[in-house]
Amino acid sequence: DTGVSQDPRHKITKRGQNVTFRCDPISEHNRLYWYRQTLGQGPEFLTYFQNEAQLEKSRLLSDRFSAERPKGSFSTLEIQRTEQGDSAMYLCASSLVSGYNSPLHFGNGTRLTVT
Amino acid sequence: DAKTTQPTSMDCAEGRAANLPCNHSTISGNEYVYWYRQIHSQGPQYIIHGLKNNETNEMASLIITEDRKSSTLILPHATLRDTAVYYCILRDTGTASKLTFGTGTRLQVTL
Repeated sequence: DTGVSQDPRHKITKRGQNVTFRCDPISEHNRLYWYRQTLGQGPEFLTYFQNEAQLEKSRLLSDRFSAERPKGSFSTLEIQRTEQGDSAMYLCASSLVSGYNSPLHFGNGTRLTVT
Repeated sequence: DAKTTQPTSMDCAEGRAANLPCNHSTISGNEYVYWYRQIHSQGPQYIIHGLKNNETNEMASLIITEDRKSSTLILPHATLRDTAVYYCILRDTGTASKLTFGTGTRLQVTL
């Protein structure tokens, strides 16, 4: 399977702890996106990278959130000092840089539960 | 600032065509119409997209009205595995390549 891979699939943590998620995009894709989805809602955009450059960040991405994409390959999303409101599915997607005509391909997400 | 309007839910009998409508009356000339679906506990899956002309692929057909103010996604022979939330999205070609999701249509395919 050469799709977008996310790890772990599930994470349970206690409030105040730090967590880190990893995303491996489709190999030739140079754009990588992070989304968050809460129950009953559609995914919400957090941030995206073109190669290693972080080009856009949503207002949802508070100071406790940081995303990196070293060397333009895999990406990590870290949440510091987790809060119960951070409980959600965190989705990663990738696409080619060919503008609007290149679909995003999503992974199956990391489900975070903060207790 | 929802740009698309979809019914909250729809039912379809297995084997019949599922026709999912989407209104996008404020669509601009550079916006594509994208459709994704999300099966429970999975990430969104790309289905199809189009600009002006009708499009068809192995999964579905997309019919866009001539004035581009609405579209319909057609699953020609729905199966139980097509039960999912379907999202109609306008993709901004200007400032960003991201997708902005609404709440979609929950399609239930029944026996």
